Amino acid sequence: DAGVTQSPTHLIKTRGQHVTLRCSPISGHKSVSWYQQVLGQGPQFIFQYYEKEERGRGNFPDRFSARQFPNYSSELNVNALLLGDSALYLCASSLVRGNQPQHFGDGTRLSIL
Amino acid sequence: AQRVTQPEKLLSVFKGAPVELKCNYSYSGSPELFWYVQYSRQRLQLLLRHISRESIKGFTADLNKGETSFHLKKPFAQEEDSAMYYCALSGEQGAQKLVFGQGTRLTINP
Repeated sequence: DAGVTQSPTHLIKTRGQHVTLRCSPISGHKSVSWYQQVLGQGPQFIFQYYEKEERGRGNFPDRFSARQFPNYSSELNVNALLLGDSALYLCASSLVRGNQPQHFGDGTRLSIL
Repeated sequence: AQRVTQPEKLLSVFKGAPVELKCNYSYSGSPELFWYVQYSRQRLQLLLRHISRESIKGFTADLNKGETSFHLKKPFAQEEDSAMYYCALSGEQGAQKLVFGQGTRLTINP
């Protein structure tokens, strides 16, 4: 099992652009969560999707959006990029909702110039 | 509001010495607490969770609701324990929405 896979690994964008990050959960996992990890900080929750519906949202502006596809993979979209969006974006999947532990991917390192 | 505080950003101990990584939380309901670990060049992975009451790699953590703490302990540190450790909390919304502390970098000196 490859675990949670994220693409791309690294990405460089300029201010004002938009970006799409992708995540494939572990096979059989229906819940996907997204986190932002700024350098020197712990991950911060952005979204959770389960069965293709948004089930939770963190304190992030509307520039951040996400969706989940029928195969349970997910995309995180960020519009009008700001310098402060530079971070490691982590995806995590779990079997079902509730208190099943999450399995994290390696993340996408996003740099905004 | 949910909050997790790890007061030490860096912790350095000698091999064979006891280790304690501190974690305090703020949450009005019944939380579930986790410790995640990230070894060099590896992804973030679950170390242990309080409801399991397990000992993983010699580490244990007890939830103290009175002191709102979930400190991670190991009696005899090993060099392979060097890593970044994150304490995390989940509330009624489930373990898919975790609130993380800022992390403690543990270094075990030979």
